[in-house]
Amino acid sequence: DGGITQSPKYLFRKEGQNVTLSCEQNLNHDAMYWYRQDPGQGLRLIYYSQIVNDFQKGDIAEGYSVSREKKESFPLTVTSAQKNPTAFYLCASSIDLRVGNEQYFGPGTRLTVT
Amino acid sequence: LAKTTQPISMDSYEGQEVNITCSHNNIATNDYITWYQQFPSQGPRFIIQGYKTKVTNEVASLFIPADRKSSTLSLPRVSLSDTAVYYCLVGENSGGYQKVTFGTGTKLQVIP
Repeated sequence: DGGITQSPKYLFRKEGQNVTLSCEQNLNHDAMYWYRQDPGQGLRLIYYSQIVNDFQKGDIAEGYSVSREKKESFPLTVTSAQKNPTAFYLCASSIDLRVGNEQYFGPGTRLTVT
Repeated sequence: LAKTTQPISMDSYEGQEVNITCSHNNIATNDYITWYQQFPSQGPRFIIQGYKTKVTNEVASLFIPADRKSSTLSLPRVSLSDTAVYYCLVGENSGGYQKVTFGTGTKLQVIP
């Protein structure tokens, strides 16, 4: 089955540690995205990527980093510089970056930092 | 991207038709209107997309007036499983290098 996988589903870290969230897709999509969602809020865009080795900052990129070394993978690192990292993180992909193209979302990773 | 405004929440009884309206006064000529549904602790799911007039699929209908400054998502005969947050997105389908923004959405609560 084609789709997007995110791992792990739940992640716990101590404050001051960097943590990397995994996102893999086998849909052969060019575009990939990372969103953050806080309780009762909408999705906020962290980073997005159109093609391999190219990515752009979204609305809340500070304290995060990404890489796109392979078409199917778009890992997100939450660094110690992110002041409030506890949140629900969603990865998505689409054929390309045009808004008219449907975004397919993964199941999400819930990160808790204490 | 054009800014969108939706009601924060809505309640409906099972079996009723639900209409959720989204305002997008600054929509541009090339903008499409897209709706997503999100259940708790899951990623959003595409529902429907349109440019003008009416679009219908197996899940919902989308009504867009001639001036395109608003759109209405219509869910026929809702059930408890339709309880979710519904997001309206407006953006240009031009092939340009753009980012996508989800607003806070409309939280629909279906009541037995």
